[in-house]
Amino acid sequence: GAVVSQHPSRVICKSGTSVKIECRSLDFQATTMFWYRQFPKQSLMLMATSNEGSKATYEQGVEKDKFLINHASLTLSTLTVTSAHPEDSSFYICSAQTGANTEAFFGQGTRLTVV
Amino acid sequence: KNEVEQSPQNLTAQEGEFITINCSYSVGISALHWLQQHPGGGIVSLFMLSSGKKKHGRLIATINIQEKHSSLHITASHPRDSAVYICAVPPETSGSRLTFGEGTQLTVNP
Repeated sequence: GAVVSQHPSRVICKSGTSVKIECRSLDFQATTMFWYRQFPKQSLMLMATSNEGSKATYEQGVEKDKFLINHASLTLSTLTVTSAHPEDSSFYICSAQTGANTEAFFGQGTRLTVV
Repeated sequence: KNEVEQSPQNLTAQEGEFITINCSYSVGISALHWLQQHPGGGIVSLFMLSSGKKKHGRLIATINIQEKHSSLHITASHPRDSAVYICAVPPETSGSRLTFGEGTQLTVNP
């Protein structure tokens, strides 16, 4: 199957700093990428839909200025957690698809800890 | 009521047992995804199916579109199958966005 690479897998940062997470589709072009957040023992929560060349579509309750998403090319989307706080500590994971109703490929996830 | 419901939430089995995880959904869909989430968090796509049955190794997925129900079966289960299994659907009105079930935590003991 197709490969989606997410980096870093783990990051610890200080409160107030920003953290960038990258999601790359390695062997296919992803017109759409999704960013999710997952709390322990809970299901994936969609944060935003990232479309190449256009602004991301954020889910209700997700702060656009806090979680900056950039989808500069068909193979790369980034999520930047700005001015991180301990409550932003979570597991973030991206997925990519080549189009609607196609298989979803997930990155390895990033465990963010804000201290 | 959730749009996607899975059962059971937790399942413990002995190595070698036949496993069944069920998924029911209430929205119109064109396909259904079965995903596997490992303890480290990574998610692997197991199946995407829109009708009938698919088989990959010891894994079998079936779907009945009319009844809005899908099952994931694992034959000859092994401890390495221990993971969370997630059913996800893209509602017809949502484009590619997936709606996820709560997941089934499977533990296979040796």
